[in-house]
Amino acid sequence: GAVVSQHPSRVICKSGTSVKIECRSLDFQATTMFWYRQFPKQSLMLMATSNEGSKATYEQGVEKDKFLINHASLTLSTLTVTSAHPEDSSFYICSAPYSGETQYFGPGTRLLVL
Amino acid sequence: QKEVEQNSGPLSVPEGAIASLNCTYSDRGSQSFFWYRQYSGKSPELIMFIYSNGDKEDGRFTAQLNKASQYVSLLIRDSQPSDSATYLCAVNEGGGTSYGKLTFGQGTILTVHP
Repeated sequence: GAVVSQHPSRVICKSGTSVKIECRSLDFQATTMFWYRQFPKQSLMLMATSNEGSKATYEQGVEKDKFLINHASLTLSTLTVTSAHPEDSSFYICSAPYSGETQYFGPGTRLLVL
Repeated sequence: QKEVEQNSGPLSVPEGAIASLNCTYSDRGSQSFFWYRQYSGKSPELIMFIYSNGDKEDGRFTAQLNKASQYVSLLIRDSQPSDSATYLCAVNEGGGTSYGKLTFGQGTILTVHP
């Protein structure tokens, strides 16, 4: 299957700081990528759709000014959690569609805000 | 509100048995259906996708889709302890602006005991 990478895999930061997470499609181009969040023992919740060359589309209830998304190229999308707080601690996962609608997930980034 | 429902389990089966995982969805317009496996602390990995009514087999896995009943299932034959994981059912909303967006069920925890 297609390979999607994320960096960093794990990050610990102080409350009030900003954290940037990168998502890359390694062997294919992705005009669209998706960002999910998963809290412990819960399923994945879609946060936003990242679109290359245009603004991201956010799901209802997701603050676009807090979760900044930039789809800089056909292989890179970044999610910046601004002014992070402990309640933002979660597992953030990106995905990219390959060969139609099939989505492949990155390995995820575990964020802990102290 | 589009919903995807799964029995959270846990489902426990003996090694070598058939594990049956079920999923129902609310949106009749859904076009494609996916099964992902997620090990604890890891991101989801794709097992199978299915678009048409009927069965689709891939090795020990068989996906079954019944659009009239809005039901999709995954059978795992000859279950192995390494199959122990959370299985996520995901439904694609279809084309247009929703292209590629997946709605996930809450996942079914499967335990295969030796």
